[in-house]
Amino acid sequence: NAGVTQTPKFQVLKTGQSMTLQCAQDMNHEYMSWYRQDPGMGLRLIHYSVGAGITDQGEVPNGYNVSRSTTEDFPLRLLSAAPSQTSVYFCASSPSGLLNIQYFGAGTRLSVL
Amino acid sequence: KQEVTQIPAALSVPEGENLVLNCSFTDSAIYNLQWFRQDPGKGLTSLLLIQSSQREQTSGRLNASLDKSSGRSTLYIAASQPGDSATYLCAALTGTASKLTFGTGTRLQVTL
Repeated sequence: NAGVTQTPKFQVLKTGQSMTLQCAQDMNHEYMSWYRQDPGMGLRLIHYSVGAGITDQGEVPNGYNVSRSTTEDFPLRLLSAAPSQTSVYFCASSPSGLLNIQYFGAGTRLSVL
Repeated sequence: KQEVTQIPAALSVPEGENLVLNCSFTDSAIYNLQWFRQDPGKGLTSLLLIQSSQREQTSGRLNASLDKSSGRSTLYIAASQPGDSATYLCAALTGTASKLTFGTGTRLQVTL
């Protein structure tokens, strides 16, 4: 039972570099989302998707792009990394939106120097 | 704007003790409230989800209650064990079921 898989687990970037955080789920869930977790703050929603081909912005979308070409995958792209993007990133999925239990990946810890 | 607060931020109890974790929210117009467990360096695991029409949910030694009128939810853990040591987060779903607001969590340590 793989569930929600995130890669990589750790990443160090230099300011200005770009990268993609991968998220894949094998539960055929329609809803997928990305959060960031920072010390002293609750998880904050970056972007979400209600199905393949449909994405929308969350609370803190600036500096991030997403796409959803398949039901299984929901990658998060950092266009030009900044130190303020140092955080732990979590991908989550659910059968249909936020009314259902959310299933989280193990997270990607990102440091931007 | 919904705000979710969890107090205390940290709690240490001896093994076997029953304990209550608190979650407060400012907007009572919630769709549901979910409790999660987060182990160090790991993702969140959903423990219990209480719909707005429910008063409580139970799973094993865990019991979560919801009082919308007072803006409070509690997670009761019976007969605590060292394996219960983790951070517990609550999250309230508000708006047009479109926004999940998380608290900052209570870090629980159960000692031998």
